[in-house]
Amino acid sequence: GQNIDQPTEMTATEGAIVQINCTYQTSGFNGLFWYQQHAGEAPTFLSYNVLDGLEEKGRFSSFLSRSKGYSYLLLKELQMKDSASYLCAVGRDDKIIFGKGTRLHILP
Amino acid sequence: GAVVSQHPSRVICKSGTSVKIECRSLDFQATTMFWYRQFPKQSLMLMATSNEGSKATYEQGVEKDKFLINHASLTLSTLTVTSAHPEDSSFYICSARDPSGGAVAYNEQFFGPGTRLTVL
Repeated sequence: GQNIDQPTEMTATEGAIVQINCTYQTSGFNGLFWYQQHAGEAPTFLSYNVLDGLEEKGRFSSFLSRSKGYSYLLLKELQMKDSASYLCAVGRDDKIIFGKGTRLHILP
Repeated sequence: GAVVSQHPSRVICKSGTSVKIECRSLDFQATTMFWYRQFPKQSLMLMATSNEGSKATYEQGVEKDKFLINHASLTLSTLTVTSAHPEDSSFYICSARDPSGGAVAYNEQFFGPGTRLTVL
């Protein structure tokens, strides 16, 4: 089976930095994805990690530690449009299994 | 590239009727598509894996006779919710893998915009 845990909600201020953590347990691990989802819309791809370490892409960075079953998504210079749900998802064999998502609220 | 569309975007139907949702890969051929269901404030739950030219593989707890999946071509998969009931009201999302090399990983999925189903 698999278990993916991430905080339900977080709040941060515009211009600040926020880190969303994700822990997972799964068999057949095949990479870790982060997706952004605005209400009523489909998820959009943010990042993918398959090896340990940090991947940076503009304002967003993602980190993976396979031995610890741990990942985080780091968002810098927060903007109001970053208010959304952030889904941690684990590749398991040829499937992707999603966590429940973290709803991020950005305050002006 | 790697655009996936869904039709319809919203559908309202009466209890007991059947509803068909289409998922198309617009600029690539998808041998594998996936169907998810998402209830409000919940995660995306994988329902089934749709394989072109063969039977779909359903996740545990998903009734294959209620959720009929057909993947008759490399660009189209359909999900039919048969004898829909109010508890089937949900957001249904499809996704597809692009094997042509445009993805960051072979198992990256590109998502359609979703279909909001409301059963009265």
